[in-house]
Amino acid sequence: GIQVEQSPPDLILQEGANSTLRCNFSDSVNNLQWFHQNPWGQLINLFYIPSGTKQNGRLSATTVATERYSLLYISSSQTTDSGVYFCAVENSGGSNYKLTFGKGTLLTVNP
Amino acid sequence: DVKVTQSSRYLVKRTGEKVFLECVQDMDHENMFWYRQDPGLGLRLIYFSYDVKMKEKGDIPEGYSVSREKKERFSLILESASTNQTSMYLCASSPPPLNEQYFGPGTRLTVT
Repeated sequence: GIQVEQSPPDLILQEGANSTLRCNFSDSVNNLQWFHQNPWGQLINLFYIPSGTKQNGRLSATTVATERYSLLYISSSQTTDSGVYFCAVENSGGSNYKLTFGKGTLLTVNP
Repeated sequence: DVKVTQSSRYLVKRTGEKVFLECVQDMDHENMFWYRQDPGLGLRLIYFSYDVKMKEKGDIPEGYSVSREKKERFSLILESASTNQTSMYLCASSPPPLNEQYFGPGTRLTVT
């Protein structure tokens, strides 16, 4: 099946810093989503971005489908940005709309 | 806003009990999913439903069954709970064809 690799696995920042999270995937995709898992475990939708670039406030994302990677940018980080960020993809050649998740990036933003 | 709700945030059950986890979505989505999340293993798909009374097995269906009698509701059933089913269970829904999935708050199930 499709492989999804996220880097870095852990990231520690000071408040106000910028960061880039990366997601590499091994096959063509119909769907790529970025999620933030909050401390209570809920997955919060950040972006639906199978290709192109999107921005939402301090967050933006870019997916280059032909090169099989996506980037999530966080600018002027805040302590509330802490948590695990997941990239998830739906393989174009797959069935049942399944999302395959990466292992996540654990982001810690210190005050 | 899409809303996906799950019947319990925390649940403690005994080995051998029959367990029902309920998921309801209010956006008239055709697709609904059950995943479980475990440390070191990530999120894995248990079952998927693309319409009422329709279901497909995911990657780890053993020990689970599902029911979808109404479009908005998707239930996960543990016929005889075992300790290895202690996990975080996450429900999601999505509208075809884009399949942007929206997740509920999760149920932390402990089987003792």
